[in-house]
Amino acid sequence: SQQGEEDPQALSIQEGENATMNCSYKTSINNLQWYRQNSGRGLVHLILIRSNEREKHSGRLRVTLDTSKKSSSLLITASRAADTASYFCGGGSYIPTFGRGTSLIVHP
Amino acid sequence: DAMVIQNPRYQVTQFGKPVTLSCSQTLNHNVMYWYQQKSSQAPKLLFHYYDKDFNNEADTPDNFQSRRPNTSFCFLDIRSPGLGDTAMYLCATSLRSMSGPLNQPQHFGDGTRLSIL
Repeated sequence: SQQGEEDPQALSIQEGENATMNCSYKTSINNLQWYRQNSGRGLVHLILIRSNEREKHSGRLRVTLDTSKKSSSLLITASRAADTASYFCGGGSYIPTFGRGTSLIVHP
Repeated sequence: DAMVIQNPRYQVTQFGKPVTLSCSQTLNHNVMYWYQQKSSQAPKLLFHYYDKDFNNEADTPDNFQSRRPNTSFCFLDIRSPGLGDTAMYLCATSLRSMSGPLNQPQHFGDGTRLSIL
């Protein structure tokens, strides 16, 4: 199974700013997924990017994938207090496994 | 709305007393998963079912077992819980096409927070 490792572990920004989180993985993938977890809740699937894609957008989310560096980034533009959550990445050809996530705090 | 429901949301049990957590889904997904998530840590996959085919992760403790009596329900049984089993337990589902990859988007329930005293 693959493991995503998210970086930074914690990120604190003001509302309206952009938030960027990074993910590294160890071996080859056929897709990479990003999830959000609000405190005390389950994970929510945000976006899936396939290994042959370099960039994908969904609303205020932008995900990039660099398979040569085995890395991905998640950009949240114009962040809101409601974006406060932990963000996880997971990739591979089997069941995605997750790192500790990036804990994002958006201050109103 | 189609969803994944876990019961109970909170469970307190005594050291060594068996406990069962339940998960139901209305998505008609063929894959169901159980994860353990300790405070500020990564969700850790315990096992998954692809239809009735049970798959145990190599490092899942022996006192953790699971049952899937039908497509909609899945149970996590902890035979003799220890203090280290205090955690959030997450159930998830996904839809795998025939012979397709397992890494499809997962739908999670809100978890059961288990405390062992």
